[in-house]
Amino acid sequence: ILNVEQSPQSLHVQEGDSTNFTCSFPSSNFYALHWYRWETAKSPEALFVMTLNGDEKKKGRISATLNTKEGYSYLYIKGSQPEDSATYLCAWGKLQFGAGTQVVVTP
Amino acid sequence: GAGVSQTPSNKVTEKGKYVELRCDPISGHTALYWYRQSLGQGPEFLIYFQGTGAADDSGLPNDRFFAVRPEGSVSTLKIQRTERGDSAVYLCASSPGTSGGTGELFFGEGSRLTVL
Repeated sequence: ILNVEQSPQSLHVQEGDSTNFTCSFPSSNFYALHWYRWETAKSPEALFVMTLNGDEKKKGRISATLNTKEGYSYLYIKGSQPEDSATYLCAWGKLQFGAGTQVVVTP
Repeated sequence: GAGVSQTPSNKVTEKGKYVELRCDPISGHTALYWYRQSLGQGPEFLIYFQGTGAADDSGLPNDRFFAVRPEGSVSTLKIQRTERGDSAVYLCASSPGTSGGTGELFFGEGSRLTVL
């Protein structure tokens, strides 16, 4: 994988359901994987910076895992709420972003 | 203010005109990044400053694009002879550390450029 790829492109989730989505990145020369949340009309906000293979990070109902050997990270949202609606971006280092996964949580 | 400030928030211009977009980073942040985000895509890296110098300008698409950061704080992205394809949201971010560091980026709200 030469680029950062995110899938799916968009998700519709019912309030209360849990969901997860993927970021794939080059596994060579890895030093950091960033996750950001970007709500409409706001600036992207950092969620996690992950550096070690096997890293697991958690912030409230949102958590992320990292596999640097195979080049992927999962982001999980447990018990989705409407305020979780946003585009979630991952970035390999600081220079290469994925296209994002747009999450829409409906009441 | 405490965050990254970008002006203008919206700019509509005509094809062929010159445009300047300004970014005021968080005080004390030495690293500053410019990105461009087109519809349906993620932020595309343009240029990275460490202090006053452009440490990496490999993302600038062509010589119509230029950026400066003369005093190591405020940065201006300059676009000459704008084209319709330049229409995008231009995001600025700052960070306390270097490109190779693991510190998070702090983003502004972006400047939406529309070239008619």
